[in-house]
Amino acid sequence: GAVVSQHPSWVICKSGTSVKIECRSLDFQATTMFWYRQFPKQSLMLMATSNEGSKATYEQGVEKDKFLINHASLTLSTLTVTSAHPEDSSFYICSARDPLAGVYNEQFFGPGTRLTVL
Amino acid sequence: DAKTTQPTSMDCAEGRAANLPCNHSTISGNEYVYWYRQIHSQGPQYIIHGLKNNETNEMASLIITEDRKSSTLILPHATLRDTAVYYCIVRIHNNAGNMLTFGGGTRLMVKP
Repeated sequence: GAVVSQHPSWVICKSGTSVKIECRSLDFQATTMFWYRQFPKQSLMLMATSNEGSKATYEQGVEKDKFLINHASLTLSTLTVTSAHPEDSSFYICSARDPLAGVYNEQFFGPGTRLTVL
Repeated sequence: DAKTTQPTSMDCAEGRAANLPCNHSTISGNEYVYWYRQIHSQGPQYIIHGLKNNETNEMASLIITEDRKSSTLILPHATLRDTAVYYCIVRIHNNAGNMLTFGGGTRLMVKP
């Protein structure tokens, strides 16, 4: 199956700093990537849909100026958490859809990035 | 997308079949049933999907009732590595790429 990577796998930062998380599709080109957030013992919550070459679409309640998404190429999307605070500590997961994977287009998920803001 | 209902947790003995139910009584005719699982601290993993016929692959089998209002994911011989949260998702599938809406899932604990 298709492989999606994320970097870093975990990061610890001080409150007020910005953190960038990368999501890469390694063996396919992804025109659409998705960013999810997962708090402990909770389910995944979609944050935004990232489309290559255009602005991301954010879900209701997600601050677009705080969670900056850039999808500059068909294999890379980045999520930048700006001015991070302890409440932003979470498990961030990206997924990508391979448009050539067949008619069913199942999503392939990255391994996740655990962000801890002190 | 139709809402799904799953039991919060289930236990299964190692080597036995794990049967995970999912109710999706409001499913519409063009919505598929997808199953993903998430092992602790990892990203979700696709398992299987179906429309109305039963499906089987190397990981699992999916049984969908004739009225499509419920389905069951079957892991025929559960191992300790199958311990995970299993998500049943119902959605329209198209080439535009709809996002996945995750519910609470079922936390499956496979015990020795």
